Amino acid sequence: AQKITQTQPGMFVQEKEAVTLDCTYDTSDPSYGLFWYKQPSSGEMIFLIYQGSYDQQNATEGRYSLNFQKARKSANLVISASQLGDSAMYFCAMNLLRGSNYKLTFGKGTLLTVNP
Amino acid sequence: DTAVSQTPKYLVTQMGNDKSIKCEQNLGHDTMYWYKQDSKKFLKIMFSYNNKELIINETVPNRFSPKSPDKAHLNLHINSLELGDSAVYFCASSQDSVGYYNEQFFGPGTRLTVL
Repeated sequence: AQKITQTQPGMFVQEKEAVTLDCTYDTSDPSYGLFWYKQPSSGEMIFLIYQGSYDQQNATEGRYSLNFQKARKSANLVISASQLGDSAMYFCAMNLLRGSNYKLTFGKGTLLTVNP
Repeated sequence: DTAVSQTPKYLVTQMGNDKSIKCEQNLGHDTMYWYKQDSKKFLKIMFSYNNKELIINETVPNRFSPKSPDKAHLNLHINSLELGDSAVYFCASSQDSVGYYNEQFFGPGTRLTVL
């Protein structure tokens, strides 16, 4: 079974600085996908970035990048130039890329607070 | 255009009642999901349907019954509501292709409060 661990319940960062949110995962399957979602206080789930287990390069989407270290089974999210609007709950998740079961397994989340 | 919509957004009801939450996606996706987010913000899969067929049922009490009348809709009916059912319920959908990227698009959530 897949497992996602986010060890930082809360993180603080100054506006305009970079921040790294940690995520480690556990699966014996070689084919998987890793996702990061943002959940602001309004409650919606916003997709940020995706990394496939066979992707050679780290994923990037604007200010978001994913530091994928396959041997360590880590998929840390890096947010550059933090903005006040980045304050939210961040979830790391994974699914398997074969079979018909594409359910997402989520970590417990990290609450990021951006200070002015 | 809303990709994944849920109704209602808020639902307050008494213990023992029966209620339904509706979900619709206009993305043409094959697979739809129900997730539950508890008071500690932990998200867990409940059900998944692929082309109207149930493929995941994650040890959810049988008071919860999903129904998929067509590929674009997945409703959640809950019988005999209990206090512990209070949570936010998210519907999601994805276009699943084996071996490929399967981003799940989430609805806005339904906050269920059982009194």
